[in-house]
Amino acid sequence: EAGVVQSPRYKIIEKKQPVAFWCNPISGHNTLYWYRQNLGQGPELLIRYENEEAVDDSQLPKDRFSAERLKGVDSTLKIQPAELGDSAVYLCASSPGADRGLFFGSGTQLSVL
Amino acid sequence: AQSVAQPEDQVNVAEGNPLTVKCTYSVSGNPYLFWYVQYPNRGLQFLLKYITGDNLVKGSYGFEAEFNKSQTSFHLKKPSALVSDSALYFCAVRDNGGFKTIFGAGTRLFVKA
Repeated sequence: EAGVVQSPRYKIIEKKQPVAFWCNPISGHNTLYWYRQNLGQGPELLIRYENEEAVDDSQLPKDRFSAERLKGVDSTLKIQPAELGDSAVYLCASSPGADRGLFFGSGTQLSVL
Repeated sequence: AQSVAQPEDQVNVAEGNPLTVKCTYSVSGNPYLFWYVQYPNRGLQFLLKYITGDNLVKGSYGFEAEFNKSQTSFHLKKPSALVSDSALYFCAVRDNGGFKTIFGAGTRLFVKA
């Protein structure tokens, strides 16, 4: 089966610019996650979707971050405006159920200059 | 609240020797426990999981993990390390009432030839 697909793979922007990341989860996986991973650290949950509903967005900095999952499939994570501290790898993952592991995409490495 | 601790930033082991990467957790109720591996410039890959049943679970690439409820630990083990096992390893926990997966900070494993 096809894995989780993320794009772009790399993104370099200047601070205060907007940026968007796209994720296509594995077909049939109702749960979709966005994580942020800083260098040398574990992934930190930003938002979790069950189908098209955001059921856990408590860690999402809502003043500048937004996300959507239209039709319960693809998802987009946006940052506007970006800050220097947003430089990180943004990971998308999907899961078919609570007793299964997460399937991760390759991530988008964001550099904010 | 859920939490995961990986007390060692780095583990060094010689090829052919047994390896252990430690993990302790805190979660309400019965935990779902996972190990993931991250190779350089690649996304996280699922290694193994504990949901219920035998305390010793086996996973990919010859890895296994031992669940110890009294010590709230889930240590990753391998009887004979390979140089190719060198990577970053993450322990993760999910409470069985929901889908929120929390990751540890990671342990870097170096296997020396």
